[in-house]
Formats: sequence, C-alpha cells, structure tokens
Amino acid sequence: GDSVTQMEGPVTLSEEAFLTINCTYTATGYPSLFWYVQYPGEGLQLLLKATKADDKGSNKGFEATYRKETTSFHLEKGSVQVSDSAVYFCAISNFGNEKLTFGTGTRLTIIP
Amino acid sequence: NAGVTQTPKFRVLKTGQSMTLLCAQDMNHEYMYWYRQDPGMGLRLIHYSVGEGTTAKGEVPDGYNVSRLKKQNFLLGLESAAPSQTSVYFCASSMQGGYQPQHFGDGTRLSIL
Repeated sequence: GDSVTQMEGPVTLSEEAFLTINCTYTATGYPSLFWYVQYPGEGLQLLLKATKADDKGSNKGFEATYRKETTSFHLEKGSVQVSDSAVYFCAISNFGNEKLTFGTGTRLTIIP
Repeated sequence: NAGVTQTPKFRVLKTGQSMTLLCAQDMNHEYMYWYRQDPGMGLRLIHYSVGEGTTAKGEVPDGYNVSRLKKQNFLLGLESAAPSQTSVYFCASSMQGGYQPQHFGDGTRLSIL
C-alpha cells in the first residue's frame, strides 16, 4: 500500500534560517501530494499541494515540488519566522482512493 | 464561517464508560473522516464515510463505532472506553476523497482513566 516517510523531528532553527523538511513516498500511479500544518491547539490546515509531476505548490512562502523520479515532495522556505513554529505533515492520495496517507509529522520550532 | 466543528473539546472518562463525539460540517462535503493522533504516530484513520448513510473502517477501527445519519454530521462512539483510547481525535471532511484536500476540526482531547 501507499506510505509516506518524512524527516524525523524535532527541528529547531533560528529566525530567518533556511528550512527543508524531507518527504518521500511509495505509491502506485500518480498520487496527489500535500503538506498540512498543525499550529498548537488546532487541527490540521492544508498548506500546499501538487497534483502532477514537476508541479510546484506554494503558500505563505513555503514551496514543494513534485519529483516523480525521486518520489519526493520536500518542503522548503527561504527565511523562517517564529510564527512558522508548528507540526508539518506530508500526505499523499491516489485517484480513486478515498483516504489520505499521512507521514508521522515533523515538529518545527523557530527561535528568535 | 464555521467549517468543521467538533464537540466536546475536552472530556475525561472512566474505564468502561461510553460517550459520543460529534462532528458537524457546513460545507456540504460528501466525505467525512475520524482520526486519532498519538505522539510519534501521526494521524491514524479510525472510520470514514463517503456519503450520508455510509460508513467504512479505516486503519484502527476496533473499539469504535460511527454513524452518518445526516450528511452534515458524523458521530464517533466509544461503547466501553479503555485507557488505550486516550488520544486527541480529529474529524475532517472533503468534497470528495483522494485528490481533494481535507478540512479539519480543532480536535477533541479525550482522557480515559
């Protein structure tokens, strides 16, 4: 079945540092790829998505590119802020599949 | 602008007690989901529904039951609570499955003593 492997946390960075959170997946066909973010005490929110190879999803300064050849969807941001502190989840879903498959999440803490 | 609303937000139960968690969405979504979130394990799907009157098992369905009598509501029941069911429970909905993003509630924190 489908599976997602993402970078173990926690990750701690200084404000304005460059961020990469790695995500790789195993799936048949051409799944859609997602990044969700969970701020403290809240549910998950969709951060960005990509639906086909070489697509780049972007939102709030975050980017991720659908790399079919490496089955990856790494999350990046050029300059992080304290407000980016949250847990980030990578997820995939194949067409015809009613469900999302989530990674275990990466806790990110940004210190001023 | 409610989106997905979960009630209650917090609850403490004794082992063996029963309770029902309510999820309501106002986006006319067909699909609804119940997840549990435990430290180090991400989100695990308990049950889901692809439309009014339908339910299906997810990854960890044992000890839980669900009902979807109305399109906007999805209920999660614990018939006889166990300490292993201590967790944070999230409800989500989507227009359809798969390619469509899911919209989440703020969660219910449940402790079983």
